[in-house]
Amino acid sequence: AQSVTQLGSHVSVSEGALVLLRCNYSSSVPPYLFWYVQYPNQGLQLLLKYTTGATLVKGINGFEAEFKKSETSFHLTKPSAHMSDAAEYFCAVSGTSYDKVIFGPGTSLSVIP
Amino acid sequence: DARVTQTPRHKVTEMGQEVTMRCQPILGHNTVFWYRQTMMQGLELLAYFRNRAPLDDSGMPKDRFSAEMPDATLATLKIQPSEPRDSAVYFCASGTGTSGKGGEQFFGPGTRLTVL
Repeated sequence: AQSVTQLGSHVSVSEGALVLLRCNYSSSVPPYLFWYVQYPNQGLQLLLKYTTGATLVKGINGFEAEFKKSETSFHLTKPSAHMSDAAEYFCAVSGTSYDKVIFGPGTSLSVIP
Repeated sequence: DARVTQTPRHKVTEMGQEVTMRCQPILGHNTVFWYRQTMMQGLELLAYFRNRAPLDDSGMPKDRFSAEMPDATLATLKIQPSEPRDSAVYFCASGTGTSGKGGEQFFGPGTRLTVL
């Protein structure tokens, strides 16, 4: 069975500062890991995903995440926050043999001018 | 630009009424998901289909909710009778559902349901 925890339901950063959103997972099989973003009044949109291979994954809008198996983590980072990054971010996990995805509770990111 | 479409975008109804939400998945996608999002519960998976067959509807209250795929271009979620606690945003998502490819999903804009 898979599960996802996201530390911090709300994160605030200053514009231009580092963004770090934390995600830890549990999985009984090698996981596929995802980060989705949800802007107000919209559906979720895929930011990036890890399946196999390189553990540092780059996504859209300058975001990247690193899969660390020993820490069961998949934290999302961006070197410099922009006002447009303010949104809800969801970490998600799925197994390799089926497509059901388990979403974390989400982290709301605020960017302060 | 292929997108998942959902109708209606907003629905206000009275308790006890039937509600039908519709979803058109991206052409060629064979997996369809229904989610419910609320402030209290977050994002909950209600049901999902692969090749129009229901694979898992364990997240759905069976006594009042039903989900179907009459054809490959249409998925429906019905609530009968509706209750105020059903007020939420309902999302449909579709994917390619290929085993071993993980669960990348494409989300629709959602249906915001308010039951008075």
